[in-house]
Amino acid sequence: GAGVSQTPSNKVTEKGKYVELRCDPISGHTALYWYRQSLGQGPEFLIYFQGTGAADDSGLPNDRFFAVRPEGSVSTLKIQRTERGDSAVYLCASSPLARGTQYFGPGTRLTVL
Amino acid sequence: GENVEQHPSTLSVQEGDSAVIKCTYSDSASNYFPWYKQELGKRPQLIIDIRSNVGEKKDQRIAVTLNKTAKHFSLHITETQPEDSAVYFCAASGNYGGSQGNLIFGKGTKLSVKP
Repeated sequence: GAGVSQTPSNKVTEKGKYVELRCDPISGHTALYWYRQSLGQGPEFLIYFQGTGAADDSGLPNDRFFAVRPEGSVSTLKIQRTERGDSAVYLCASSPLARGTQYFGPGTRLTVL
Repeated sequence: GENVEQHPSTLSVQEGDSAVIKCTYSDSASNYFPWYKQELGKRPQLIIDIRSNVGEKKDQRIAVTLNKTAKHFSLHITETQPEDSAVYFCAASGNYGGSQGNLIFGKGTKLSVKP
């Protein structure tokens, strides 16, 4: 079946702009995670959804970052007033249940100029 | 919180040799330890995982061992092939604090297999 998909694959924006990154999880997966991966590092946890609710947002770096999953499927990560330090690959992963095996999407490479 | 250390950061082996990557974790509540392979510009792909009620798991040329007492786990790849070249990440997760299975990753090991 289809895996996790993310759009866009690349996003270039200017400092101060607003961006939205989209994640389509594997059909039927109730758990959805967002991670951020900087060059040469492992992914770092941002936020976790179980169904429609954000069950754990402890990894969000500040209040410029926000994510939604209104219908329990597609999720959008929103970044306001982007900064150069936000440049990274943003990865989404889904799992059939909490604490289950996580399957990653290809990521969105965000570049803030 | 949980902290995962991974060694070595780079590893170069000849085709056919074995490769071993080691990770340590800090939180004894961690109970799930996956390994991901990431090729350049690609998504992380799960290659093997182990839970804390098991000491060893094997899948063809890949094996993972877990020592809960010492809080370390290792990835073993035998008969390495050039297509094994990639960055490998270990991770840990568990029932600590408000965690719902979010993974804590090591910094990765770049494996190069020379033909």
